[in-house]
Amino acid sequence: GAGVSQSPRYKVAKRGQDVALRCDPISGHVSLFWYQQALGQGPEFLTYFQNEAQLDKSGLPSDRFFAERPEGSVSTLKIQRTQQEDSAVYLCASSLTRQGAGNTIYFGEGSWLTVV
Amino acid sequence: DAKTTQPNSMESNEEEPVHLPCNHSTISGTDYIHWYRQLPSQGPEYVIHGLTSNVNNRMASLAIAEDRKSSTLILHRATLRDAAVYYCILRDVDNYGQNFVFGPGTRLSVLP
Repeated sequence: GAGVSQSPRYKVAKRGQDVALRCDPISGHVSLFWYQQALGQGPEFLTYFQNEAQLDKSGLPSDRFFAERPEGSVSTLKIQRTQQEDSAVYLCASSLTRQGAGNTIYFGEGSWLTVV
Repeated sequence: DAKTTQPNSMESNEEEPVHLPCNHSTISGTDYIHWYRQLPSQGPEYVIHGLTSNVNNRMASLAIAEDRKSSTLILHRATLRDAAVYYCILRDVDNYGQNFVFGPGTRLSVLP
């Protein structure tokens, strides 16, 4: 497709379960971002990749959160031993180049995670 | 990135212009002003961005104050599909960390 694609669109996980969320960025996009959005809040930055390199992971809330982009295209966000506070929408975004404050960032529709 | 402040919510009538304000009094000379919006159950989408001069595109216009400490997103004729949360974001050209800092945004309601 032409846009950023995320899967699954909806995920219900039991507390303590591991989950993996996939992001397919726009083809050729160098930069990839993950955000977490709680209900009624704005998106909060989690991590940033430039090709396969994870250059910024300052927003990851704990060591239960792990992201990878091994070949510089598809990315996976993994959450281990999920807890109720992990319930949120996880947004993936990509942009064409590696830097530039004028660059447009394109978002996917998000993966809605509910931990029960 | 410098911080922005926006009203929590605004209301507009359909087919009327809407002016969404954003204050960014600590903006630096290298900060671009970006606007994104988020429709219900969707990811944020790009609306417009600018540095110093006013900008127009098919979606909206961006009016930037001369001192750059505030800006206004203008929707010329609001439609029901424009009901969304609008985010004003500053992005530093030297921010190699690349993260985009969202605030709570302005929730725009459009009345028929």
